Amino acid sequence: EPEVTQTPSHQVTQMGQEVILRCVPISNHLYFYWYRQILGQKVEFLVSFYNNEISEKSEIFDDQFSVERPDGSNFTLKIRSTKLEDSAMYFCAGSVEAGELFFGEGSRLTVL
Amino acid sequence: GESVGLHLPTLSVQEGDNSIINCAYSNSASDYFIWYKQESGKGPQFIIDIRSNMDKRQGQRVTVLLNKTVKHLSLQIAATQPGDSAVYFCAETPDTGRRALTFGSGTRLQVQP
Repeated sequence: EPEVTQTPSHQVTQMGQEVILRCVPISNHLYFYWYRQILGQKVEFLVSFYNNEISEKSEIFDDQFSVERPDGSNFTLKIRSTKLEDSAMYFCAGSVEAGELFFGEGSRLTVL
Repeated sequence: GESVGLHLPTLSVQEGDNSIINCAYSNSASDYFIWYKQESGKGPQFIIDIRSNMDKRQGQRVTVLLNKTVKHLSLQIAATQPGDSAVYFCAETPDTGRRALTFGSGTRLQVQP
């Protein structure tokens, strides 16, 4: 069964460092998303991406965040200068035109 | 503002019993609702969805009920099994073409053997 693959599974970084989280979506998906979940809290939408551009983003997705899909395969989330409060699980998700979102297993980011 | 909330943070049931997990939402424009299951250390897993033009939808052992009048959504799990133990989230979006889901805060389901 096809699945969304995320790397790394866990990254520990120092505050102020840049982090790139990577996702390989399911091949026939057209819409791509990043969500995050702070420990013990609900899942929060960050950004959606379609046709090589951001289609929607939340207030959380400020200038420190960026996404790209440079090679038509990997979908990445970059945090330019991490803050302590960026510590969370980051989930990549994908979907076809209509229907359910398929989530990856997540990347845990720990900012020290 | 928009909010999607759950009535109970933890639900404990006996194996074999039916489980009912509830969710309230406040956005009357909500059009599409989804229930997700999240096991420890894993990403949300789709269970079942329902659109606002329906009030009930059934899957395998699961039923989702939607009451738009009182903005309430419920997930019923029949014959609950130990493998059903997880956190369950409801999520909504006002537009099925818009995938910025608003998630509720989650209910932990504990199945007692």
